[in-house]
Amino acid sequence: GNSVTQMEGPVTLSEEAFLTINCTYTATGYPSLFWYVQYPGEGLQLLLKATKADDKGSNKGFEATYRKETTSFHLEKGSVQVSDSAVYFCALSAPNTGNQFYFGTGTSLTVIP
Amino acid sequence: DTGVSQDPRHKITKRGQNVTFRCDPISEHNRLYWYRQTLGQGPEFLTYFQNEAQLEKSRLLSDRFSAERPKGSFSTLEIQRTEQGDSAMYLCASSPGTSEYQETQYFGPGTRLLVL
Repeated sequence: GNSVTQMEGPVTLSEEAFLTINCTYTATGYPSLFWYVQYPGEGLQLLLKATKADDKGSNKGFEATYRKETTSFHLEKGSVQVSDSAVYFCALSAPNTGNQFYFGTGTSLTVIP
Repeated sequence: DTGVSQDPRHKITKRGQNVTFRCDPISEHNRLYWYRQTLGQGPEFLTYFQNEAQLEKSRLLSDRFSAERPKGSFSTLEIQRTEQGDSAMYLCASSPGTSEYQETQYFGPGTRLLVL
């Protein structure tokens, strides 16, 4: 079946620290992979995506590389800011599954000044 | 492009009552999705429409749940005889419908339901 396993939080970092949030997946076929972010009181927003192996998605200083050999899509940022405090969700969409997304449980990030 | 909107944003009801939520997708998006999110969890898929046709339903969608998209634009999700276990955030998303499984889904702000 299809599933996403995400690094558990909460994660607390100081401003300018390096961020990694781990995400691994199991899927039938070759999925597309996504990171969504949910800021306090707001809806889910797409952060980045990758649709095939070795693709790198990037946005707002965040990056994630689609690794087929390790079935991973880890989120990284070199220097976090207080404004990055949010909940981050890894998700996949797989062929022949009705276009539904499968989400991880989310990782809460708090960045302190 | 005004984004996906949902109404109401919050709903408090008593157990056994019926509730209905509305979702307005991004205009010209053919696909519309409903998800449910409970505290500390990621969203879980409920159902999906391509235009007005409901193409996929999750096992999570019990007989008390029904969703419609009568003219292929807005959608409604109704829960009959609500139970306390129905308390959750109900999310709607839409996507253009131009490619299979690679599309970004755009989410609305959600409707938070509390069943007392």
